[in-house]
Amino acid sequence: SQTIHQWPATLVQPVGSPLSLECTVEGTSNPNLYWYRQAAGRGLQLLFYSVGIGQISSEVPQNLSASRPQDRQFILSSKKLLLSDSGFYLCAWTTTDRVEAEAFFGQGTRLTVV
Amino acid sequence: LAKTTQPISMDSYEGQEVNITCSHNNIATNDYITWYQQFPSQGPRFIIQGYKTKVTNEVASLFIPADRKSSTLSLPRVSLSDTAVYYCLVGDTWSDYKLSFGAGTTVTVRA
Repeated sequence: SQTIHQWPATLVQPVGSPLSLECTVEGTSNPNLYWYRQAAGRGLQLLFYSVGIGQISSEVPQNLSASRPQDRQFILSSKKLLLSDSGFYLCAWTTTDRVEAEAFFGQGTRLTVV
Repeated sequence: LAKTTQPISMDSYEGQEVNITCSHNNIATNDYITWYQQFPSQGPRFIIQGYKTKVTNEVASLFIPADRKSSTLSLPRVSLSDTAVYYCLVGDTWSDYKLSFGAGTTVTVRA
C-alpha cells in the first residue's frame, strides 16, 4: 500500500534561519507531488507542485523553494525564514495512473518562526 | 481545475442531514468532482468522488445533476465529530496537475 511520510511534525525556527522540510512517498511510482501551506483558520495555499524529477512549478512567489531530487522525494526549503512563513505545511501526492486520482496528504509540519 | 464556489460556513445539529452545494459552471467534459474533509491540524482526506448522477459510500452521498454545473455533498445524521472543513475540487489530473483547494466550507455540528 502507499504511504506518505512528512517530517518533522513541529518546528520552531528563528527569523533568518534556513528551512528544510522533507516528504517521501512509498508504494507508488512517478507520483505528482505537492506542497501546501495553511495559515491559522485559512484554506490551503498551493506552493509548489511537481510532475517529475527536477520539474518544479511554483504557484506563489516567496522566499521558499522546492526540489525533487528523487522520484518519490519532495523537499521544501528556505535560505532565510520570515515571520510570515509560519504555518502548517502539508505535502501531498496523487497517482498518475488514473484521470480521477484523489490526493493523499501527509500529517503536516507545524512551523513557527520566532 | 474548474473554479468552484461553495458556502463559507454551515451550522447543524447532531442527527441532522447536512447538504453542501458546490457550483462549478465551467466544468470540463473530463473533469471529476472530488470532496475532501479536513480536521484541525490534519491534512485533508478524501471523502467521495463522482462524475455524474449519484454516488454513495459509507460516509456520504454525492449528487450531481445532468448538466454537472453543481454538486451536493450530503452527510447523513451528522455527529459532533463531523465538524470539519469540506472542500470541493473539480478537475482531471491528467490534463491539469494543479490541485488548488478553495476556502472550503466550515461545517460546525452542535449538540
